[in-house]
Amino acid sequence: DGGITQSPKYLFRKEGQNVTLSCEQNLNHDAMYWYRQDPGQGLRLIYYSQIVNDFQKGDIAEGYSVSREKKESFPLTVTSAQKNPTAFYLCASSFGLRETQYFGPGTRLLVL
Amino acid sequence: SQQGEEDPQALSIQEGENATMNCSYKTSINNLQWYRQNSGRGLVHLILIRSNEREKHSGRLRVTLDTSKKSSSLLITASRAADTASYFCARGRGQNFVFGPGTRLSVLP
Repeated sequence: DGGITQSPKYLFRKEGQNVTLSCEQNLNHDAMYWYRQDPGQGLRLIYYSQIVNDFQKGDIAEGYSVSREKKESFPLTVTSAQKNPTAFYLCASSFGLRETQYFGPGTRLLVL
Repeated sequence: SQQGEEDPQALSIQEGENATMNCSYKTSINNLQWYRQNSGRGLVHLILIRSNEREKHSGRLRVTLDTSKKSSSLLITASRAADTASYFCARGRGQNFVFGPGTRLSVLP
């Protein structure tokens, strides 16, 4: 059953804590993306990766970090430097940049 | 803003009516895509239209692209309650896509 998965569905972060959001795909896509969505707004690009071991900053990368050690996986870490992390985080993948993106179900991050 | 901007921000119609949403942009594009998002869910791809295309259909969906006016429209015909969602256009900008704020469509039974 092909697709893109994100976990957990909900995540709670304490002040000063780093948290990592998981994103896995078995679609054999080369490119992967992380977006942030705030209530009633569109998506803003955090980071993207065109191939393994390579990634680029998007429009709002400050306070976030990523890795791309495997083609299937693109985890996002929300660091303590991100002062307003409460949002809905969406991961996507595509065969290449500028191609159709397929989205995961999202992770909602809340701050305690 | 260089984002694709959808218009209207919100739209309420009766079941069976047609719904039209528009997307405008400011710089040239490679292609433009439309996505649907149900509340609290991920986005679902609807249609991709390339810059050399003028119209595409998929079931009850029709997308048009007018590059001279830098605009696109999404038409949903014979709407159903299940069409209630937010609809986003994503404009190809360089290597990535820029998403507009979306149109929230409510289809009333």
